[in-house]
Amino acid sequence: GENVEQHPSTLSVQEGDSAVIKCTYSDSASNYFPWYKQELGKRPQLIIDIRSNVGEKKDQRIAVTLNKTAKHFSLHITETQPEDSAVYFCAASKRGGILPFSNTGKLIFGQGTTLQVKP
Amino acid sequence: NAGVTQTPKFRVLKTGQSMTLLCAQDMNHEYMYWYRQDPGMGLRLIHYSVGEGTTAKGEVPDGYNVSRLKKQNFLLGLESAAPSQTSVYFCASSYLPGQGAQNEQFFGPGTRLTVL
Repeated sequence: GENVEQHPSTLSVQEGDSAVIKCTYSDSASNYFPWYKQELGKRPQLIIDIRSNVGEKKDQRIAVTLNKTAKHFSLHITETQPEDSAVYFCAASKRGGILPFSNTGKLIFGQGTTLQVKP
Repeated sequence: NAGVTQTPKFRVLKTGQSMTLLCAQDMNHEYMYWYRQDPGMGLRLIHYSVGEGTTAKGEVPDGYNVSRLKKQNFLLGLESAAPSQTSVYFCASSYLPGQGAQNEQFFGPGTRLTVL
């Protein structure tokens, strides 16, 4: 079945350093890849997403890259700050189709990465 | 505009008891989802709905039932709770996936359920 693998499970960096989280997906039909950030005790929130027709997307200090051939995508956070400390989840989904049940928007999540940014 | 809300926030059940978790959204979203979150396993989809009156199974549907009688509400039921259902449950909603930039799933605050 569909599967998303995420690495590493934990990541500790010094403030100001960069952090990279990687995910691989199994379903070659996946075409939408969001990243969610979940602070302790809070709900997951979307921070950036990318579609399969784009190789890279950037939003200030965060960027996502996608390699469709290798079926992997990565989250890059530059100039990390203590408030970046959280659990990050990648996900993959198939979008498109005509009938509602062929376009369910179902997200398959990775296992999560706990990022700790040390001051 | 409250977004996605969940009731209750916390609950402790004994094995074999039943309960219903309520999710409500005021964003007129067509799609709604129920996930469970367990340590080291990410978020796993239990059931979902693509519109009022429709439901479908996700990755881990066993032991749960759902209903979507009204567009704004999505109920998750546990008929006979088991310790393996101890988890944090999140509801989410979205517009029809793929419509322009409206792909985001908005999550509720979660319900922490413990089954003894």
